[in-house]
Amino acid sequence: NAGVTQTPKFQVLKTGQSMTLQCAQDMNHEYMSWYRQDPGMGLRLIHYSVGAGITDQGEVPNGYNVSRSTTEDFPLRLLSAAPSQTSVYFCASKTQGNTEAFFGQGTRLTVV
Amino acid sequence: RKEVEQDPGPFNVPEGATVAFNCTYSNSASQSFFWYRQDCRKEPKLLMSVYSSGNEDGRFTAQLNRASQYISLLIRDSKLSDSATYLCVVASPGTYKYIFGTGTRLKVLA
Repeated sequence: NAGVTQTPKFQVLKTGQSMTLQCAQDMNHEYMSWYRQDPGMGLRLIHYSVGAGITDQGEVPNGYNVSRSTTEDFPLRLLSAAPSQTSVYFCASKTQGNTEAFFGQGTRLTVV
Repeated sequence: RKEVEQDPGPFNVPEGATVAFNCTYSNSASQSFFWYRQDCRKEPKLLMSVYSSGNEDGRFTAQLNRASQYISLLIRDSKLSDSATYLCVVASPGTYKYIFGTGTRLKVLA
């Protein structure tokens, strides 16, 4: 059982480049979300989705786009990378309600 | 004031010690609470949910104090393998969103 799969695990971008972080889950979870984790800041919610075709902004959405065309996939797009977006990104999924959230292994992104 | 606050630590304790962490939350309407564990350079994983009456899972005990708006995690007989960062998580009322504390780092020393 794969759970939540994120790719890539590591990425270095130049300022101004764009890229997509992939996230897929095979647990048929309705709710998916993206977080970034920075030292001393904890995990901060970027965007989330409560089902296919429905997305909404979290705490720190600027500079990121998401879409949810299927239940399984929830990609995160960086439109024009900036050094401030250097971080560790986690994708998570869970069923509706206040249930256990399952996380992917994370993507370590460096923007130079 | 942050919605969820934790002492970042680190808490350095010898093997076999008992250690406790607290976490405060600001929204009195919050209903669901969790402790997650995160190992270095790994993803967070659920350690235990926190129930109103308190709950225990082996050496771990979680408690909720609604009046003072904090949750606690007690670890008894600490093991080297307990060394990790412990994240307090509060579900935002009326939404599916989880709010994470910054984490408390624990180091268990031989």
